[in-house]
Amino acid sequence: SQKIEQNSEALNIQEGKTATLTCNYTNYSPAYLQWYRQDPGRGPVFLLLIRENEKEKRKERLKVTFDTTLKQSLFHITASQPADSATYLCALASYNTDKLIFGTGTRLQVFP
Amino acid sequence: GAGVSQSPSNKVTEKGKDVELRCDPISGHTALYWYRQSLGQGLEFLIYFQGNSAPDKSGLPSDRFSAERTGGSVSTLTIQRTQQEDSAVYLCASSPQTGERAQHFGDGTRLSIL
Repeated sequence: SQKIEQNSEALNIQEGKTATLTCNYTNYSPAYLQWYRQDPGRGPVFLLLIRENEKEKRKERLKVTFDTTLKQSLFHITASQPADSATYLCALASYNTDKLIFGTGTRLQVFP
Repeated sequence: GAGVSQSPSNKVTEKGKDVELRCDPISGHTALYWYRQSLGQGLEFLIYFQGNSAPDKSGLPSDRFSAERTGGSVSTLTIQRTQQEDSAVYLCASSPQTGERAQHFGDGTRLSIL
């Protein structure tokens, strides 16, 4: 069956360091992958989209990579700040549908 | 303009009752999605509306769940004969048109079944 895995354990890093979050998937051929940020009690907020034929995408301090051979996406936050503390969700969509399948998310805690 | 609006923000009801959850999407967005998020879990897809096309209902967990979208705008998710396992946050999202579009989420309705 299709499966999307994100590290369920929280990631704790020091301010200024680079945070790297992982999204792995199996039995899936996504057309594109998205990353969202979710704060407690709020809905997810879109961050980045990367297509299956793209290797890397950047936006300000954010970088996403997509390796369809490894079936993995990495999400990087450089020069992390306490305000980056949140849960980060990856989501995949197949061709011919905009229905997103979400991972369970990884909670990031950036401490001063 | 305003974002996606959901109401009520919280709903507590007794097992066996019916509930209706409302979603007002961003004006002009043709696609509308419903998800469910249980405590500490990721989002579970429920149903997807796109324009005048038949909705994708493949995520609805049982026939107690239904949704409609009137006039291509407001959507209502109805859960009949609620069960305790229906307790979760129900999230609605909308997006403009189709194809690799970011989904814009509301803050959800927290449903608690006693």
